[in-house]
Amino acid sequence: SAVISQKPSRDICQRGTSLTIQCQVDSQVTMMFWYRQQPGQSLTLIATANQGSEATYESGFVIDKFPISRPNLTFSTLTVSNLSPEDSSIYLCSGGQGASLEQYFGPGTRLTVT
Amino acid sequence: GQNIDQPTEMTATEGAIVQINCTYQTSGFNGLFWYQQHAGEAPTFLSYNVLDGLEEKGRFSSFLSRSKGYSYLLLKELQMKDSASYLCAVRRANNLFFGTGTRLTVIP
Repeated sequence: SAVISQKPSRDICQRGTSLTIQCQVDSQVTMMFWYRQQPGQSLTLIATANQGSEATYESGFVIDKFPISRPNLTFSTLTVSNLSPEDSSIYLCSGGQGASLEQYFGPGTRLTVT
Repeated sequence: GQNIDQPTEMTATEGAIVQINCTYQTSGFNGLFWYQQHAGEAPTFLSYNVLDGLEEKGRFSSFLSRSKGYSYLLLKELQMKDSASYLCAVRRANNLFFGTGTRLTVIP
């Protein structure tokens, strides 16, 4: 299994600013993903982070708002841009490996926008 | 798109058996996962089904019927530490799409 770390673990940001979240995995995973989890709700896939190329975004998420980088197999960043209170949420990254692409999740970053 | 439904909340007694159902409708299906998530923590993998039938792993078992778009997670000999949210997730191509999650409360 993969061990995944994220930082920061939490942050409080002002409206209009941006936050960049880092995700590091301890082994080479095939795929990396970013999710959002709003309080009391389930996970929503934001995008697949592709190594060395543009991320693949799900419906409702766009690159201008959620730019993603993945410069190598074990590291990715998600930026949440032009923050508004509606962006307050937990952001999780995951790594997938194996034939089933079983995903392992990071501990999450809790973002509060004031 | 995909529609993945689970009961929102369930309560069961310590030592009992509980079954958490998941129904799905999806264009494209490459397997179904169950995850456990304790409050404030990351989801952790429980099981994966890609073929019809029952997969057993200790106290936890998961069942899949692809023709019915149905899965369940069975938890036996419930313990207090099993109080958590249980998330059903459908794999479509390389991506996972999660259901609404079921919050299970185990009572003494």
